[in-house]
Amino acid sequence: EPEVTQTPSHQVTQMGQEVILRCVPISNHLYFYWYRQILGQKVEFLVSFYNNEISEKSEIFDDQFSVERPDGSNFTLKIRSTKLEDSAMYFCASRLGLAGGAGELFFGEGSRLTVL
Amino acid sequence: RKEVEQDPGPFNVPEGATVAFNCTYSNSASQSFFWYRQDCRKEPKLLMSVYSSGNEDGRFTAQLNRASQYISLLIRDSKLSDSATYLCVVNPDSSYKLIFGSGTRLLVRP
Repeated sequence: EPEVTQTPSHQVTQMGQEVILRCVPISNHLYFYWYRQILGQKVEFLVSFYNNEISEKSEIFDDQFSVERPDGSNFTLKIRSTKLEDSAMYFCASRLGLAGGAGELFFGEGSRLTVL
Repeated sequence: RKEVEQDPGPFNVPEGATVAFNCTYSNSASQSFFWYRQDCRKEPKLLMSVYSSGNEDGRFTAQLNRASQYISLLIRDSKLSDSATYLCVVNPDSSYKLIFGSGTRLLVRP
């Protein structure tokens, strides 16, 4: 069964450092997403990406965040200068997005980011 | 009013019990609705979509009441493996900028 894969599974970093979280969406999917979940809290939308550009972003997704699809397979989330409050599980998701169909959102297993 | 509101639980039930979870949402224009399951420190996994006519998948039945902005999930014949957090999720439009509830925790005991 095709799946969304994420690396690393866990990253520990010092405050102020740059972090890149990587995702390989399901190969024929067209829509890509990043969500995050702070420990003990709900899952929150960060950003959606379609046709090589951001479709929507939340208030959380400020100038410290960026996304990129550098090649045909990877979808990355970069945090430029991490803060303590960026510590969370980051989930990548993808969706096929056929016209006329809602399409299931498939989540990766997540990358746990710990900022010290 | 919270965008998506759920009773956090936990619901502690014996194996074989029937348990029901409820959820309310604030945006009456929301387009689609889902129940996801999340195990501890794992990713959310789609359990089922929720339709106005109600839908059933094995032991799971979901119901949507648009007038009351209310979604429910019924689990019959609970199994130990049903122990998880159940997330009520609303898609406000076609964007899939999903809005998650905080989840209802279910513990099924032997």
